[in-house]
Amino acid sequence: AQKVTQAQTEISVVEKEDVTLDCVYETRDTTYYLFWYKQPPSGELVFLIRRNSFDEQNEISGRYSWNFQKSTSSFNFTITASQVVDSAVYFCALSEWNYGGSQGNLIFGKGTKLSVKP
Amino acid sequence: DTGVSQNPRHKITKRGQNVTFRCDPISEHNRLYWYRQTLGQGPEFLTYFQNEAQLEKSRLLSDRFSAERPKGSFSTLEIQRTEQGDSAMYLCASSHSSATNEKLFFGSGTQLSVL
Repeated sequence: AQKVTQAQTEISVVEKEDVTLDCVYETRDTTYYLFWYKQPPSGELVFLIRRNSFDEQNEISGRYSWNFQKSTSSFNFTITASQVVDSAVYFCALSEWNYGGSQGNLIFGKGTKLSVKP
Repeated sequence: DTGVSQNPRHKITKRGQNVTFRCDPISEHNRLYWYRQTLGQGPEFLTYFQNEAQLEKSRLLSDRFSAERPKGSFSTLEIQRTEQGDSAMYLCASSHSSATNEKLFFGSGTQLSVL
């Protein structure tokens, strides 16, 4: 069965602190896709990153970085030098390969609410 | 780029009434998804269309729910005989099937409250 676990329900940090959001996934497939989405108070989910299971390279985009480790089934997200605008709920999601080709049937975790205080 | 548009933003209805939501995807996107999100939870997949064909439905989509995408453009999600348990945010997303790395673009959702 597919499952995504985000054990941290809420995290509060002070601006400029680094923060890591944890994500652990379960799947029996060898081909799968991992995602992070940001949901600000406005409600619209904003795509942050996608990772394919065969690509374990870590990625950095500005203040954001992602650490994908298949050995521990984890796909953690780090924000360096956090800012107030980073305050949002962050979701990790998993999708498995299917014959129809769609990768949009996402299994989401419950999300981590990040509050960055000035 | 107008993004994914959903209407209405909010809907309040009485138990037993029917409701319909509309989603307008990004114009060149041929895939359209519906998700449901309850408070404190992540979104849950309901169904998706490729062009006008409904290709997958979750078991969460009971007989009271029906989705259509008649011309492969906008989509509607109808809930008949609403129940209090249907109260949730209904999210729509779109993507293009030709994209090697498919990425979903979400709308702001329709918040349904069933009294």
